[in-house]
Amino acid sequence: AQSVAQPEDQVNVAEGNPLTVKCTYSVSGNPYLFWYVQYPNRGLQFLLKYITGDNLVKGSYGFEAEFNKSQTSFHLKKPSALVSDSALYFCAVRVATGNQFYFGTGTSLTVIP
Amino acid sequence: DTGVSQNPRHKITKRGQNVTFRCDPISEHNRLYWYRQTLGQGPEFLTYFQNEAQLEKSRLLSDRFSAERPKGSFSTLEIQRTEQGDSAMYLCASSSINRVNSPLHFGNGTRLTVT
Repeated sequence: AQSVAQPEDQVNVAEGNPLTVKCTYSVSGNPYLFWYVQYPNRGLQFLLKYITGDNLVKGSYGFEAEFNKSQTSFHLKKPSALVSDSALYFCAVRVATGNQFYFGTGTSLTVIP
Repeated sequence: DTGVSQNPRHKITKRGQNVTFRCDPISEHNRLYWYRQTLGQGPEFLTYFQNEAQLEKSRLLSDRFSAERPKGSFSTLEIQRTEQGDSAMYLCASSSINRVNSPLHFGNGTRLTVT
């Protein structure tokens, strides 16, 4: 079975500090990995994806993520957090041979001014 | 690209009533997904269409739920005899089979409250 784990329900970080939101996955096959952000009463917005190639991928709004195959992780990072980054973040995985996207339970990020 | 559109944004209904939601995907997208999201949880897969064909359906999906995509464009999700446990945000997403590894593009959802 495919699954995604986001071990932290809540992450707090001071504005200007680096942030990390953690994600680990379990799939049978090659994973395609995605990060989404959700603002209150809105749908999910795509941030970035890892398909193949460089383990460090860059996405929207200055976010990046690092794929680590040995640790089955895909942590989201940003060098300098903004208050406007405060939102709910979801990691998702899709098996290369499948069509379903599996989502984690989300991590609420709060950037403190 | 006008984005994925979902209607209505909110629906309040009494237990036992039927409800129907509509999703208009991005026009060139041939894949369409329905997800359900409850508070504190990530989106849960319900069903998936490629063009007009419903290719996958969650085993967790009750027989009271049905989805259609008759012309391969918009889709409807109907819930019959609603129950309080159906209260959730229903999200629609689309993607393109023609773009390798296309991510999902989500609408803003329909929030259902069953009283």
